[in-house]
Amino acid sequence: SQQGEEDPQALSIQEGENATMNCSYKTSINNLQWYRQNSGRGLVHLILIRSNEREKHSGRLRVTLDTSKKSSSLLITASRAADTASYFCATPNGGTSYGKLTFGQGTILTVHP
Amino acid sequence: NAGVTQTPKFQVLKTGQSMTLQCAQDMNHEYMSWYRQDPGMGLRLIHYSVGAGITDQGEVPNGYNVSRSTTEDFPLRLLSAAPSQTSVYFCASSPRGRGGSYEQYFGPGTRLTVT
Repeated sequence: SQQGEEDPQALSIQEGENATMNCSYKTSINNLQWYRQNSGRGLVHLILIRSNEREKHSGRLRVTLDTSKKSSSLLITASRAADTASYFCATPNGGTSYGKLTFGQGTILTVHP
Repeated sequence: NAGVTQTPKFQVLKTGQSMTLQCAQDMNHEYMSWYRQDPGMGLRLIHYSVGAGITDQGEVPNGYNVSRSTTEDFPLRLLSAAPSQTSVYFCASSPRGRGGSYEQYFGPGTRLTVT
């Protein structure tokens, strides 16, 4: 079963605009992670936010976590064509990760030059 | 460091054939996992390992076997390939992190087609 569900499934924007992707999950977690996947490539870890954190920044990325609503959002500011990729949220499977993550279906982001 | 490597990159099998997908990491990570990715399905966990000699099943283990004889290697065996196993397979590793939080490092994937 899918723990995380991303919304929207696809997002198309112009360069310079902001992109926001949302993730909802079902069970209690101790962290939530976001990954990026360029076409035909493996996933790359972007950012991890712990359950006691509400917001985290990394460069042009901003992640929020609302444990009461069981949701997270990923904001990419001033997007670039190189940000075109699929973005996945992932949550630990069974409390702590121990190398096990449950992924959502992903959001396909297209940034037009 | 090479990170996580996977071989082969592409493979075509006939139904009933067996094969092994190779995965290796040179980061001395304790945890390793195998996922499959199908269109519209995200990634689903097949098997994982928390250390040499220790493996366990994930969400979709049927038709696959794993073993972990060394920290570095985590091969995935398809026992008798079926068309339903056509997918892209990713191996990942992660270090032991604090507070149960583990960032995963992914290999480039193996694209498998079963005819």
